[in-house]
Order: sequence, then C-alpha cells, then structure tokens
Amino acid sequence: DVKVTQSSRYLVKRTGEKVFLECVQDMDHENMFWYRQDPGLGLRLIYFSYDVKMKEKGDIPEGYSVSREKKERFSLILESASTNQTSMYLCASSYSVGNIQYFGAGTRLSVL
Amino acid sequence: AQSVTQPDIHITVSEGASLELRCNYSYGATPYLFWYVQSPGQGLQLLLKYFSGDTLVQGIKGFEAEFKRSQSSFNLRKPSVHWSDAAEYFCAEYSGGGADGLTFGKGTHLIIQP
Repeated sequence: DVKVTQSSRYLVKRTGEKVFLECVQDMDHENMFWYRQDPGLGLRLIYFSYDVKMKEKGDIPEGYSVSREKKERFSLILESASTNQTSMYLCASSYSVGNIQYFGAGTRLSVL
Repeated sequence: AQSVTQPDIHITVSEGASLELRCNYSYGATPYLFWYVQSPGQGLQLLLKYFSGDTLVQGIKGFEAEFKRSQSSFNLRKPSVHWSDAAEYFCAEYSGGGADGLTFGKGTHLIIQP
C-alpha cells in the first residue's frame, strides 16, 4: 500500500512564526502536492513538485514556499504564519501527472 | 480555467436507500475523473477513477460512477448506503496539458439517517 505520512496531525503556532509541514511518501512517486482544505472551498492546490528541487506554483501560493531536497520528502513552509493560514493541509503524491493521487491524513494548523 | 461542480453541498439519505452524488466537469475533451471520500479528520481515499474505456466504472465499498460526455457529468452511485458511508465526497478532474494537480469540486457532505 502506498503510504503518505504527514509529520503532525495537529499544530498550534503563533502569528509570525516560521512553520514547517513535512510530508514523506514511500512509493518512489515523482510528483508531490500540497493542498489546503477549507470548509465550503474544497481543496486548493498550493504547490506541486514533479522532481527533486523542482516546484510549480498552484492556485494559492502566496504566503507559502516549498522544499524538495529528496524524492520522498516534500515540505511546506509558512515563512511568517498569519491567522488566515489556519486550515487543514493535505499532502499527496502520484506516480505521474494526472494519475491517482494518494493523500496523507492531513495536518490541522491553527495560527493564533 | 477548468472547474468541477458538485451542486449539492449536503445530502441526507436513509440507511439502506440508494444514493447518487452529482458531479459536472468543465474540460470536455478527454478528462481523467476521480471520486474521493474523506471521513472526519482524515485524508482523502480514492473510491474510483475514469481514464478511458467503459463509461461505467466500479470502485471500492460498492460505489460506481458513470461518465457521460454529452452531459459533462460523472455521477457517483451506490444502491444501498450504510451508516459508515457518512463522509465528505469529492469529485476531481485532471484535464492534461500541464503540470498542475487535480481540480477538485467543493465536496458533498453525506448524512445517513437511521
């Protein structure tokens, strides 16, 4: 079974803090994704990576950055957390673009 | 821009009754279509997918979906729901031609009445 692991299920941070959300997949997938999920808005793509050190902006990249130094790990970084970044963050991976995406359990981030 | 519409925000169904969740996609050529389910506090699990071929696709947990190009629809069905089917359901589309992720609908929240 494909396993996508997000390092934290719940995080509470203060405004202005630098926040790292970590995601690891064990299936040697080329592509990894970070989504944000908010009630009534569904899932929105923040960033996408199709190879090590490669990244593409999604629909809502403002206020976020990403890092992919190794194929299995994709990190989402909030440089200076703000209250409007309180949300559920979901990581996903896929073998190729357009193929099935496998999701982690999500990280619920609260910024106070 | 491509979009996926799930017209029903909430649906309530009695246990044992049939279910149909609606989904309309916008990119008509040769979409790749998916249905995912999300239980409370969990990530998304794939129910089924359509890439090509037979327009009626079978998935896990007794779900099926039918691709209708003429209606730009990919509705999810189940003949008899169980209380454990209560969850959020997302339809998603990948239309190709770029390096983007999937485009998701806003989801349908399914409530099961005893």
